[in-house]
Amino acid sequence: GEDVEQSLFLSVREGDSSVINCTYTDSSSTYLYWYKQEPGAGLQLLTYIFSNMDMKQDQRLTVLLNKKDKHLSLRIADTQTGDSAIYFCAEGSGNTGKLIFGQGTTLQVKP
Amino acid sequence: SAVISQKPSRDICQRGTSLTIQCQVDSQVTMMFWYRQQPGQSLTLIATANQGSEATYESGFVIDKFPISRPNLTFSTLTVSNMSPEDSSIYLCSVGGLGESSTDTQYFGPGTRLTVL
Repeated sequence: GEDVEQSLFLSVREGDSSVINCTYTDSSSTYLYWYKQEPGAGLQLLTYIFSNMDMKQDQRLTVLLNKKDKHLSLRIADTQTGDSAIYFCAEGSGNTGKLIFGQGTTLQVKP
Repeated sequence: SAVISQKPSRDICQRGTSLTIQCQVDSQVTMMFWYRQQPGQSLTLIATANQGSEATYESGFVIDKFPISRPNLTFSTLTVSNMSPEDSSIYLCSVGGLGESSTDTQYFGPGTRLTVL
């Protein structure tokens, strides 16, 4: 069945770049998403990429998609302490609009 | 994007009771969904709320336990019935279909944090 995998934890120093990786199995995914969840808060849509794109850049965020390997990454440049949160990768399943989420990667940013 | 509100934001309930969660959107949307996030876990889709017809449930979720209503394109409710401590979770509604495609960006409400004693 459909599955999305992420590493569970990443620790970086303030000012460094962070790279969060995600793999998925459903080759029919239309969109791939990155969401951010801060403690006690809901999910904030950070960015998304259409499956026929290789890269998308939005300010400090860069999304890379390798469709052949079904690998998605989120790079955060100049990581700040306010970026500390859980980051969820999700794939959009065909025309149903359903999202399949990864387990979430906890990003810890040390001053 | 859409502004999505949920009521209540949190609740503490006794086992055996039921709780209805409301989701309100400030614009008409094609698709509305309900997700559950158990403590320390990722999100799992419960069902797709269909306007004017019965919801479409995912494997492991049934209408008797999680009845859903969607009377129009801006509002939906999820009821958690006959609650047990295992139902303690955050329940989130999400909306999609704000653009031309029914499968474009999806936005989430703030969630309802439910604790069952």
